[in-house]
Amino acid sequence: DAGVIQSPRHEVTEMGQEVTLRCKPISGHNSLFWYRQTMMRGLELLIYFNNNVPIDDSGMPEDRFSAKMPNASFSTLKIQPSEPRDSAVYFCASSSSGVKNIQYFGAGTRLSVL
Amino acid sequence: AQTVTQSQPEMSVQEAETVTLSCTYDTSESDYYLFWYKQPPSRQMILVIRQEAYKQQNATENRFSVNFQKAAKSFSLKISDSQLGDAAMYFCAYRPMTAGSGGGADGLTFGKGTHLIIQP
Repeated sequence: DAGVIQSPRHEVTEMGQEVTLRCKPISGHNSLFWYRQTMMRGLELLIYFNNNVPIDDSGMPEDRFSAKMPNASFSTLKIQPSEPRDSAVYFCASSSSGVKNIQYFGAGTRLSVL
Repeated sequence: AQTVTQSQPEMSVQEAETVTLSCTYDTSESDYYLFWYKQPPSRQMILVIRQEAYKQQNATENRFSVNFQKAAKSFSLKISDSQLGDAAMYFCAYRPMTAGSGGGADGLTFGKGTHLIIQP
């Protein structure tokens, strides 16, 4: 199994630009999560999907952030326009609806907004 | 809302010794999962150990074990025979057991982490 795949690994952009982060969950998993990690706030849940449907987006910081899951094998997190305070590591995780429900994380995308 | 607290920002231990990382949490739920994740410098989040709240027996995984005290809402991680490869950030996390909407899982609530240093 290839695990959760995120791209890009690193992203450097300028303030005001649009940023799109991508995630491919583990095949067969029906839950997908986006987290953000910063020094100040630690790891925070931004949004999660069950069966491609957004369930809870209360962690999305502002309207500049949006997430989609057009099919079971792909999700995007978009920031438009980006700001320096968005600089963080963004993780995607997936899990199945089985008994153990363990979340498996991707390697993360380190975003730097200059 | 659930909260997870890790009161030790940093811990240091001699190689081959035993170290215990602390975690407390607050919840009104009676059924839930608790986890310890490890994040080495590569930043990959790796599951170390998992505990179901309804199980009285403490979970163990090789050199890793937990001390789960449900009444005290405490969930500490013990690492025995510490190895250099154990050096990492360790995060305690909580998730309710009830299934989220749509039949899937809910998200994790994390503590702020403990930086574990292994002294050779």
